[in-house]
Amino acid sequence: DAGITQSPRHKVTETGTPVTLRCHQTENHRYMYWYRQDPGHGLRLIHYSYGVKDTDKGEVSDGYSVSRSKTEDFLLTLESATSSQTSVYFCAIQKGGAETQYFGPGTRLLVL
Amino acid sequence: KNEVEQSPQNLTAQEGEFITINCSYSVGISALHWLQQHPGGGIVSLFMLSSGKKKHGRLIATINIQEKHSSLHITASHPRDSAVYICAVDDTDGLTFGKGTHLIIQP
Repeated sequence: DAGITQSPRHKVTETGTPVTLRCHQTENHRYMYWYRQDPGHGLRLIHYSYGVKDTDKGEVSDGYSVSRSKTEDFLLTLESATSSQTSVYFCAIQKGGAETQYFGPGTRLLVL
Repeated sequence: KNEVEQSPQNLTAQEGEFITINCSYSVGISALHWLQQHPGGGIVSLFMLSSGKKKHGRLIATINIQEKHSSLHITASHPRDSAVYICAVDDTDGLTFGKGTHLIIQP
């Protein structure tokens, strides 16, 4: 299994509070992704990174920011959580373009 | 942006049956992925293919680039194959996913 972890695995928070999710890899892969998974929508890309300090927006980036200061860590921040951001968040890593993506175990976030 | 459609959305079958899940997409791609998500939630990559056919154990994946279509087959299905199977295509900014096929194999 690819060495990819997410923390926390579960979180309950209140509307308006900031939340940061962490994705950590031990594979030294270049690409990292944040997805959210919601019933009826499937997985959707939030943000991705193609190197340290190199990030770009995905399909559903509004309300989210990311940072990647080290190869191994990719942080997803909800500056002010809303109930619509209740979801399961998956991080994924990829060695290079058009290669297999490996997924983390997911983080269940509930925003009350 | 690519549109990825999977069929069927839900499939219940008896143990031992041959299973086919279909995936079609709208724009030409460099690669297509089949993923498996078990009830516990973890997502595992089954195949990545850009042409032809790949086989791993009882799983077979095929792709027809001209038709923009891929199929995932499971031979001699088993209850442990029960999961959500997700098709995804390489897009300009990462993967675009289908909504998944929920497969239940009954003993």
